[in-house]
Amino acid sequence: GEDVEQSLFLSVREGDSSVINCTYTDSSSTYLYWYKQEPGAGLQLLTYIFSNMDMKQDQRLTVLLNKKDKHLSLRIADTQTGDSAIYFCAEMTGANNLFFGTGTRLTVIP
Amino acid sequence: DTGVSQNPRHKITKRGQNVTFRCDPISEHNRLYWYRQTLGQGPEFLTYFQNEAQLEKSRLLSDRFSAERPKGSFSTLEIQRTEQGDSAMYLCASSWQETQYFGPGTRLLVL
Repeated sequence: GEDVEQSLFLSVREGDSSVINCTYTDSSSTYLYWYKQEPGAGLQLLTYIFSNMDMKQDQRLTVLLNKKDKHLSLRIADTQTGDSAIYFCAEMTGANNLFFGTGTRLTVIP
Repeated sequence: DTGVSQNPRHKITKRGQNVTFRCDPISEHNRLYWYRQTLGQGPEFLTYFQNEAQLEKSRLLSDRFSAERPKGSFSTLEIQRTEQGDSAMYLCASSWQETQYFGPGTRLLVL
């Protein structure tokens, strides 16, 4: 079955790098995603990675995937106060549904 | 295109009443999804459509929940005989291929 786990909280200082981690259990995952949610808002797609890749970079965002360990991470370089939000990891299986973790609340300290 | 839209954004109702939410997907997206998000949790998948066909509905929370997409464009989610436990954010997403784009959600409060 599907199970996606994330740590609940992360605090970093402005300008530092943030690393948000995620583990998942379904080895048949085809794509893995990172979404950002600000208070009272919907989910904003940040980036995603196909399961046969191990890294993807998009401006300040770097995604690393270790398929053997079923571990996904999101690194945000030069973290800004506007990056404070909840970050969700999600996996897509063959059924085209997304299964989400509980989210990591990132707090950026000025 | 302005993205996925949902109406209403907020709904307060009394226990036992029926509610209906609407989702307008990004035009030309053939897939439409409904999720529920409760406080402190990630979204939970409910159902999805490819065009007008509802391809997965086994995860709808009970037979009080139903969804339609009659012409393959907008969709509605109805909850009958609402209960206090139905209070949550209801999110809609649409996609053409592997990326799902979410709307702002409808926040439901059942008193």
